[in-house]
Amino acid sequence: AQKITQTQPGMFVQEKEAVTLDCTYDTSDPSYGLFWYKQPSSGEMIFLIYQGSYDQQNATEGRYSLNFQKARKSANLVISASQLGDSAMYFCAMREGSSGDKLTFGTGTRLAVRP
Amino acid sequence: SQTIHQWPATLVQPVGSPLSLECTVEGTSNPNLYWYRQAAGRGLQLLFYSVGIGQISSEVPQNLSASRPQDRQFILSSKKLLLSDSGFYLCAWGRRNTEAFFGQGTRLTVV
Repeated sequence: AQKITQTQPGMFVQEKEAVTLDCTYDTSDPSYGLFWYKQPSSGEMIFLIYQGSYDQQNATEGRYSLNFQKARKSANLVISASQLGDSAMYFCAMREGSSGDKLTFGTGTRLAVRP
Repeated sequence: SQTIHQWPATLVQPVGSPLSLECTVEGTSNPNLYWYRQAAGRGLQLLFYSVGIGQISSEVPQNLSASRPQDRQFILSSKKLLLSDSGFYLCAWGRRNTEAFFGQGTRLTVV
């Protein structure tokens, strides 16, 4: 079974608008962490934001925020005021506390920002 | 500060030839280490991870193996490459409850 599901293979957004990238996860472990990464065409993986399962508030990092809905097991990434440089692949990932620090990724969403 | 080195950046190898990709981490000790493979336009598939020297967990049975001869060194190997081994290989390090930091990746083409 898929641990991390990203149902949007591709997304478009107009420059300066906000966009939400979806991520749902599957775990029975009470302790886990959720991550979002950006991968531009160069291939490097850039860490964006982290949410712990016990965190009470949604994580925010600059223009990035994570809409964490624990009961729904979703961890959507919200990018505000999109910029052309935001065009990239975005990956959601999860680390489960019981899995020996294994970090599992979703299939990714390709975001294209239109000028 | 911590850095991760991965080399080579690109590699073209014939079918049946051996493979050795090396990854080293600086500025930290006892990191968790990971090898991922990414097919063109696809997600990251976890191949191996290690929580200590000599401790390797394999996620997918395949034509590859991994070793961790030193605390901050992680090696991905194959005795005989297949065409299906082509892809983008990424090494990463991390700790429990923190993000993983990635190397620059190796683009492997098996011909």
